Amino acid sequence: DAGVIQSPRHEVTEMGQEVTLRCKPISGHNSLFWYRQTMMRGLELLIYFNNNVPIDDSGMPEDRFSAKMPNASFSTLKIQPSEPRDSAVYFCASSLDYRETQYFGPGTRLLVL
Amino acid sequence: AQTVTQSQPEMSVQEAETVTLSCTYDTSESDYYLFWYKQPPSRQMILVIRQEAYKQQNATENRFSVNFQKAAKSFSLKISDSQLGDAAMYFCAYRASGGSNYKLTFGKGTLLTVNP
Repeated sequence: DAGVIQSPRHEVTEMGQEVTLRCKPISGHNSLFWYRQTMMRGLELLIYFNNNVPIDDSGMPEDRFSAKMPNASFSTLKIQPSEPRDSAVYFCASSLDYRETQYFGPGTRLLVL
Repeated sequence: AQTVTQSQPEMSVQEAETVTLSCTYDTSESDYYLFWYKQPPSRQMILVIRQEAYKQQNATENRFSVNFQKAAKSFSLKISDSQLGDAAMYFCAYRASGGSNYKLTFGKGTLLTVNP
C-alpha cells in the first residue's frame, strides 16, 4: 500500500515567488496534517483537516500561508509571497482517524533565496 | 500545555550493542499516547513504536522496546543489537486521547550515531 506522497521533494525559489506543496494522503485516511520542521522550532503543526474540512489552522504562521483539501486524496499548502524565513522541511501526514497514528510523507525541503 | 523533553541531543552506540534514548513529558491528562519516530538522513519520518498510556505492558517491535513509567512520566526507547541503519534522529511524541485531541507534540530529537 502506498504511503503518503508529497511533491516536490525539493523546491528552491526566490523571495516573493509563490510556492505550492502537494500531498496525497493514504487511501482511506480521513485526517490530514501539515507540519513544518526547522532547526529553531522543531516540528510544528500548521493545519489539520478532517474529512477535507480545515479544523485547526492556528499553527499557520500568517496570511501568506494557505491550505486546501479539495477532495479526500489531495491537499495543497501554498505560500504567497514566499520569504527566506519560510525555508524549512514541510511534512504532510495522514491518519485513519484523528485518534489514530499519523503516518508521514517524505517531506518537501523548501529553500527560499 | 503538554511538553516533551529529550535531554540527550546526541548519542552514539557500537554496532550490535544496546542503546537507550530518554524522553520525559509533562501532562495533566490521564489517558494519552506516546510515540517514537525515526528520521534518517532521507528526512522521512518513520513510526518506530507506539504506547497507549492505559496499557501497563511496555510496547515492543522487534529490536525496539520502550520503558514506560507513567508515574515518572518517562518513556525511553531501547534499541537492541544496533545496526548501521538505525542511525537517525529519533523524536519522542505525545498525543492526548479522547475528545478532539489530534495534536502531536514532539521533542527536539536525539541524533543517534551507530559506529561500525
